[in-house]
Amino acid sequence: DAMVIQNPRYQVTQFGKPVTLSCSQTLNHNVMYWYQQKSSQAPKLLFHYYDKDFNNEADTPDNFQSRRPNTSFCFLDIRSPGLGDAAMYLCATSRGGNSNQPQHFGDGTRLSIL
Amino acid sequence: GQNIDQPTEMTATEGAIVQINCTYQTSGFNGLFWYQQHAGEAPTFLSYNVLDGLEEKGRFSSFLSRSKGYSYLLLKELQMKDSASYLCAVRDRAGGGNKLTFGTGTQLKVEL
Repeated sequence: DAMVIQNPRYQVTQFGKPVTLSCSQTLNHNVMYWYQQKSSQAPKLLFHYYDKDFNNEADTPDNFQSRRPNTSFCFLDIRSPGLGDAAMYLCATSRGGNSNQPQHFGDGTRLSIL
Repeated sequence: GQNIDQPTEMTATEGAIVQINCTYQTSGFNGLFWYQQHAGEAPTFLSYNVLDGLEEKGRFSSFLSRSKGYSYLLLKELQMKDSASYLCAVRDRAGGGNKLTFGTGTQLKVEL
């Protein structure tokens, strides 16, 4: 019954080695989001897609990229992970427009950097 | 930009009632959400307010005053499983109204 699925749950990579996190959804929502959350901090929005339109946050480092090949899938690429990128990465989806529908989150991928 | 404030930590007793406050500043308010997040897990949706007043959902209620930039989440009949972080999130009309800005969360500890 999982509606927003993130793989893997735990990811370990080496300093500077590219890594890709994946997210899929069965809700057919227009909007998909990627958040970074560090311990005891608020989820921080990195970027979001409204359909195929990509919206980057002004303070998201260039090291972070995203792809959305179709409605169901969205990927987060970290080109050269640094120690400061160790965090929980959360994918979320929502309907578009001014709706009272909430964002639905996946279980997250916890990224560790060696 | 947006500024969202919540207390960092609260402690309450099983069976009691607790109120978690949230204040916010935003130029284009378009809704406020409350989420629950257990350690190491994803946030789960609890409630939504866009008009002033109280929204009740079982043991959880949420209140909004737009003129004061203030909301609270009320948890009744507290259970041990309610120990979690509670995140207040504000949606703004900017950017198509799809983005949420989260507070840092209030860590609630329920004790016997």
